Amino acid sequence: AQKITQTQPGMFVQEKEAVTLDCTYDTSDPSYGLFWYKQPSSGEMIFLIYQGSYDQQNATEGRYSLNFQKARKSANLVISASQLGDSAMYFCAMREGTGTYKYIFGTGTRLKVLA
Amino acid sequence: NAGVMQNPRHLVRRRGQEARLRCSPMKGHSHVYWYRQLPEEGLKFMVYLQKENIIDESGMPKERFSAEFPKEGPSILRIQQVVRGDSAAYFCASSPRTVVTDTQYFGPGTRLTVL
Repeated sequence: AQKITQTQPGMFVQEKEAVTLDCTYDTSDPSYGLFWYKQPSSGEMIFLIYQGSYDQQNATEGRYSLNFQKARKSANLVISASQLGDSAMYFCAMREGTGTYKYIFGTGTRLKVLA
Repeated sequence: NAGVMQNPRHLVRRRGQEARLRCSPMKGHSHVYWYRQLPEEGLKFMVYLQKENIIDESGMPKERFSAEFPKEGPSILRIQQVVRGDSAAYFCASSPRTVVTDTQYFGPGTRLTVL
């Protein structure tokens, strides 16, 4: 069963506007971590933001925030004030807390910021 | 503080040859993970290693693939007798520990092309 689902293969956003990238997950482990990474065309994986399953507050890092809805098992990434340099692939990943160490990645969303 | 280093960045091999990919984790990180990314797909876990130990190789193909992380030197992912289907980007990541909150930091990847 797919554990991380990103349903938006591609998204467009106008420069300076906000955009939400969707991510839903599936786990029975009460302890888990959710991560977002950015992969620009150059190919490297850049860590953006982390949300723990027990965190009471939604995570924020500069222009990135994570809309964490635990009951709905969603962890959407919100990018505010989009910039042209935000054009990239964005991956959501989950790490379960019991007995595993690996990340499980979604299939990614390709974001294009329009001038 | 240098990030995760991978070399070579690009590797071209003919079918049947061996490919050797190297990864030096971030300073202070003793946990190394290898992931493979096929074109237009998310990253898939291959293997998790600590110094001199393979902890989880559940994502690694049973034949032709091997990994090591010796006491001294980088982690090595070795692919013997490469085939066209091995063409992919191979990412190494490292973390200081294995708690669920720990972020894995990725190297720039090695892009393997099999002719």
